[in-house]
Amino acid sequence: EVQLVESGGGLVPPGGSLRLSCAASGFTFSTYWMHWVRQAPGKGLVWVSRIYTDGSRTNHADSVRGRFTISRDNAKNTLYLQMNSLRADDTAVYYCARGRNCSGASCIYRDAFDIWGQGTVVTVSS
Amino acid sequence: DIQMTQSPSSLSASVGDRVTITCQASQDIINSLNWYHQKPGKAPKLLIYDASNLETGVPSRFSGSGSGTDFTFTISSLQPEDIAIYYCQQYDSLPYTFGQGTKLVIK
Repeated sequence: EVQLVESGGGLVPPGGSLRLSCAASGFTFSTYWMHWVRQAPGKGLVWVSRIYTDGSRTNHADSVRGRFTISRDNAKNTLYLQMNSLRADDTAVYYCARGRNCSGASCIYRDAFDIWGQGTVVTVSS
Repeated sequence: DIQMTQSPSSLSASVGDRVTITCQASQDIINSLNWYHQKPGKAPKLLIYDASNLETGVPSRFSGSGSGTDFTFTISSLQPEDIAIYYCQQYDSLPYTFGQGTKLVIK
């Protein structure tokens, strides 16, 4: 079964740090871009970060750039999000999602979040 | 950033009705548009990719159309299990952006 399972969420004070993990199974993890998307309580979906298949390139939303770092370990089929200098407005459910499929230097056109994890809750509060 | 504007924000319809949601991009995104729905307490689910392609396993009552800046999502015959919030999302340029969502309820 194709699956993504997040972990690592919790309650952290403002200014604190947290590392989220996303364990992938049922597909060839190393051939897919991976993403983090978050959803604040009662709000819509917001893209956070993206990482290429081999980790050579990453992108982050302006709101988290310089504070969050996306990374991956293809040997462990795991995606990470290191979150530093957390603020109250980072409070959200964080989802990992599978993105574009790439084989070597060739990627398909489609770039959709086709598999999502169940989400992990991050609460930033004193 | 590309702004995605969905309408309506909420929609009440009866079982069997044809339902249409629109999504407008602030600039030309060709067909780089996906549609998702999200049921309460669940992760989003991909329904339509590249504006008009039905994701594998998704019922054929769902469809999408459009290109450039104007896109439409349609449910041909609303079913009770379609109650959810629907989102459009562009991937033409970073940052990926979502519409604000359309909450669909049964009348």
